[in-house]
Amino acid sequence: GENVGLHLPTLSVQEGDNSIINCAYSNSASDYFIWYKQESGKGPQFIIDIRSNMDKRQGQRVTVLLNKTVKHLSLQIAATQPGDSAVYFCAENMEYGNKLVFGAGTILRVKS
Amino acid sequence: GAVVSQHPSWVICKSGTSVKIECRSLDFQATTMFWYRQFPKQSLMLMATSNEGSKATYEQGVEKDKFLINHASLTLSTLTVTSAHPEDSSFYICSVAGTRTSYNEQFFGPGTRLTVL
Repeated sequence: GENVGLHLPTLSVQEGDNSIINCAYSNSASDYFIWYKQESGKGPQFIIDIRSNMDKRQGQRVTVLLNKTVKHLSLQIAATQPGDSAVYFCAENMEYGNKLVFGAGTILRVKS
Repeated sequence: GAVVSQHPSWVICKSGTSVKIECRSLDFQATTMFWYRQFPKQSLMLMATSNEGSKATYEQGVEKDKFLINHASLTLSTLTVTSAHPEDSSFYICSVAGTRTSYNEQFFGPGTRLTVL
């Protein structure tokens, strides 16, 4: 759905700890979900994606979990590093065409 | 993935002037390009979708006469902000999708920071 102008939530983690970033999506008919990382002043960078016929997908140091029952998506980052500090957005693909709808975003701050 | 560039990376203009932002797909035939706007500390909001050789489809609330989009080739789309005002100051980001992308995947440009004085 439409995102609104709200302050982004912040997650602060210690370097080396695991991070979990959560996202609630809006459309139960969405069938494709993506997590993006955005560093200050840059465009979004693809991290990992998942289709609705899966509930878990793993990448390098990242895992995405999808719970369609409650329309919830999470991104887990293992052994968080200072370079992981950024804003993280989930995006859902609506059933019509290629349009992506972005979630509100979460700021991840990694403390050394 | 596709390499996408935007030009300029930042621009400052006076109120009432028009500004053109270019989005180029450097190694990829982009049949579809998207333009997003992002205000500080907010998420990306889709402004319009353009298909090569066709008129752009604008999202609700986005003025098509103010934000002119041209997607004349498979490698270039332009966004022109006409008669810009301070409230148009934002981060404008394009993305590309096409026949080489997998299921609905988009590749994003680095963004253009527009400041209207």
